[in-house]
Amino acid sequence: EDQVTQSPEALRLQEGESSSLNCSYTVSGLRGLFWYRQDPGKGPEFLFTLYSAGEEKEKERLKATLTKKESFLHITAPKPEDSATYLCAVQSGAGSYQLTFGKGTKLSVIP
Amino acid sequence: DADVTQTPRNRITKTGKRIMLECSQTKGHDRMYWYRQDPGLGLRLIYYSFDVKDINKGEISDGYSVSRQAQAKFSLSLESAIPNQTALYFCATTERGDTQYFGPGTRLTVL
Repeated sequence: EDQVTQSPEALRLQEGESSSLNCSYTVSGLRGLFWYRQDPGKGPEFLFTLYSAGEEKEKERLKATLTKKESFLHITAPKPEDSATYLCAVQSGAGSYQLTFGKGTKLSVIP
Repeated sequence: DADVTQTPRNRITKTGKRIMLECSQTKGHDRMYWYRQDPGLGLRLIYYSFDVKDINKGEISDGYSVSRQAQAKFSLSLESAIPNQTALYFCATTERGDTQYFGPGTRLTVL
């Protein structure tokens, strides 16, 4: 059974204070690891897909990295508008292409 | 216009009532999914469909049914709603089973 654990559950940062969110996973043959951002009451918004260990992707202040057991979402010099819940999901290579989601990390960036 | 739309956006109903949630997409994707999101539990898959003739149960399908009326439309029904079905419901679409794109969600309250 695929499993995804995100830590911490919640993170408060001062504006400009860089940090990282963690996503640990176990999966029977990783097909892809996905990061989403979710604002309160809204649908998840796609950020990145990572396919293999060593891969990195960047978008503005966000950088996602992948190893064989975990992924990190690095946030550099965050701004208040980066406040949201960040979701990690894995997709196994077997069959149905289902996503297994973690419970998310709620990020608050204080001005 | 949004690529994935859901109706209604909010619904309050009573125990025992039949409810239908609708999802439409203009992305031309073949695969569609229904998830529910509960505080502290993350996103869980209810049903998914690879095309009009292919519908599959997800992790938590009991108490739900679906209909794929066309490539662009996928409906979720609660035949007899119960209070523990109170949740946020999201529809998602994907092409070739890769990145899933989510709708804005339906907030359902069962009294």
